[in-house]
Amino acid sequence: DAGVTQSPTHLIKTRGQQVTLRCSPKSGHDTVSWYQQALGQGPQFIFQYYEEEERQRGNFPDRFSGHQFPNYSSELNVNALLLGDSALYLCASSFYTGHYTFGSGTRLTVV
Amino acid sequence: SQQGEEDPQALSIQEGENATMNCSYKTSINNLQWYRQNSGRGLVHLILIRSNEREKHSGRLRVTLDTSKKSSSLLITASRAADTASYFCATDQSSQGAQKLVFGQGTRLTINP
Repeated sequence: DAGVTQSPTHLIKTRGQQVTLRCSPKSGHDTVSWYQQALGQGPQFIFQYYEEEERQRGNFPDRFSGHQFPNYSSELNVNALLLGDSALYLCASSFYTGHYTFGSGTRLTVV
Repeated sequence: SQQGEEDPQALSIQEGENATMNCSYKTSINNLQWYRQNSGRGLVHLILIRSNEREKHSGRLRVTLDTSKKSSSLLITASRAADTASYFCATDQSSQGAQKLVFGQGTRLTINP
């Protein structure tokens, strides 16, 4: 039973560029949440998707957007990248409520 | 912004000793969860304690929750080198069907052989 899969594992982008990160949830899970974790900090909630709609959003600018597909997989898009967007981006999937399964993350470096 | 605070920020102990980490939070919660993270990679779920529970055990882990003080503690007994990692508490602040975890800044635990 595959867990949460994220791709790519690492990438380097230049300031001002756009990036798309991908997440496949654990089998049987229908909800996907995205978190940003800066170096030395705890993860911060970006947003959550359920039934292909954004259900809740954290304190992140509109440069951060997402999408959920009918197969429950999800994408996180970040436009106009800033140096401060460099972080580990974590995807978590869940079903109904309570228990989350996290992926290994995508390490984004903005130069 | 993060609402949880963890104490200590770093902890270094000898293998075989017990490690205790504390977590405080600010708002009402549905449950509180503890996670482990190795070398900045994915989070591994350790244990979940519901708001109406006071203590929970899982193997060498013991978690307590005091909702009146808005605090929790994680005890790892008989520590091993493999326990070296960062540990995070996260409060489940789900509402209106939306799920949201709010994490603390973590405790970096080092087990010395």
